[in-house]
Amino acid sequence: DQQVKQNSPSLSVQEGRISILNCDYTNSMFDYFLWYKKYPAEGPTFLISISSIKDKNEDGRFTVFLNKSAKHLSLHIVPSQPGDSAVYFCAASARNYGGSQGNLIFGKGTKLSVKP
Amino acid sequence: DAGVTQSPTHLIKTRGQQVTLRCSPKSGHDTVSWYQQALGQGPQFIFQYYEEEERQRGNFPDRFSGHQFPNYSSELNVNALLLGDSALYLCASSLYRDAETQYFGPGTRLLVL
Repeated sequence: DQQVKQNSPSLSVQEGRISILNCDYTNSMFDYFLWYKKYPAEGPTFLISISSIKDKNEDGRFTVFLNKSAKHLSLHIVPSQPGDSAVYFCAASARNYGGSQGNLIFGKGTKLSVKP
Repeated sequence: DAGVTQSPTHLIKTRGQQVTLRCSPKSGHDTVSWYQQALGQGPQFIFQYYEEEERQRGNFPDRFSGHQFPNYSSELNVNALLLGDSALYLCASSLYRDAETQYFGPGTRLLVL
């Protein structure tokens, strides 16, 4: 049973527009969420994170929104650039429960293509 | 500043064999985690090492074992290889006090024939 779900395998966006990547989770104990970006032949690269005590975190062109009641988070990229084309993974952790810090549960990823 | 490095980059083994994968963490990091990423899936947590001890373990059989050395580098060992062990094996390093912010290596692609 998948605890972290990314239901869109792919997303195509025009350069300069907004990219919105979605992620849903089922485990109520998750209290920390991260987004990673992965290029082919490279390991995932940390992008941005958010704690469950917040509903928004922003870093440059990247903003993550968390809706705890809906168990949903999203990553917004504005404006999108061709270099953003990659696979984006959502990950979750139950940081404050049972000493499971660092045990990241990943979704299957969404492949973002940003067209010039 | 060197990031996380892994060796080898690719490996081909046959069923029943044993394999050892190696990882050097990012400078200053003390914690190493290992993940298995099957094709079309997200990375799946295998285990985490800190202070040369296994601190957490995911849902993987005992055929998967590891080690961390005093210089924080780590090895992942897989015994009695199965075809289903074919995957990309990712090593990630972090600080134990901020174990979620993990920096990943490029991975080792293992193919079991």
